[in-house]
Amino acid sequence: DQQVKQNSPSLSVQEGRISILNCDYTNSMFDYFLWYKKYPAEGPTFLISISSIKDKNEDGRFTVFLNKSAKHLSLHIVPSQPGDSAVYFCALGGSSNTGKLIFGQGTTLQVKP
Amino acid sequence: DGGITQSPKYLFRKEGQNVTLSCEQNLNHDAMYWYRQDPGQGLRLIYYSQIVNDFQKGDIAEGYSVSREKKESFPLTVTSAQKNPTAFYLCASSSLSGTDPYFGPGTRLTVL
Repeated sequence: DQQVKQNSPSLSVQEGRISILNCDYTNSMFDYFLWYKKYPAEGPTFLISISSIKDKNEDGRFTVFLNKSAKHLSLHIVPSQPGDSAVYFCALGGSSNTGKLIFGQGTTLQVKP
Repeated sequence: DGGITQSPKYLFRKEGQNVTLSCEQNLNHDAMYWYRQDPGQGLRLIYYSQIVNDFQKGDIAEGYSVSREKKESFPLTVTSAQKNPTAFYLCASSSLSGTDPYFGPGTRLTVL
């Protein structure tokens, strides 16, 4: 029974447009929500996070939205760039288990020039 | 430069052999983690440690063992009891109050 789901295995977007990656979860006990970016054969790198007390966090071209009532997390990238092409994982954690995360399956983003 | 070292990048072993994956960090982090990634799946937690000489099982600990004798090091042994050991193994670390673990480059283990 997966607690975290990224229902879109892949997404293709034109350069300059918005990329929207989605993540749904089932457990209301998560306290913080993260997005990681991963290139093949490399470790994930942290991108952006949001705590459960907020509904939006912005960092440059990246914005994370949290809808707690819908148990839905999304990452917006605008404008998208070819260098953004990678696998994006959402990850969820609880305050009682700092650093211990539950990951989604990942969404492969391709940004076409 | 601070970071996490995992070696080797690629590792091949025969079925039935135990193999140990190394993980070293110089970030002065107290907590360390081992995750496993399989194709089409997210990362799954194998073991984690928040202090030297103490560690806890994650979601998929069966067939694995760890030790934490030093703060900087958290080696993972994949034993012959692990039924599907071929995977990409990622080590991570964080401060005890940190919420975004820092990941190493990973080791791809292939069991032949």
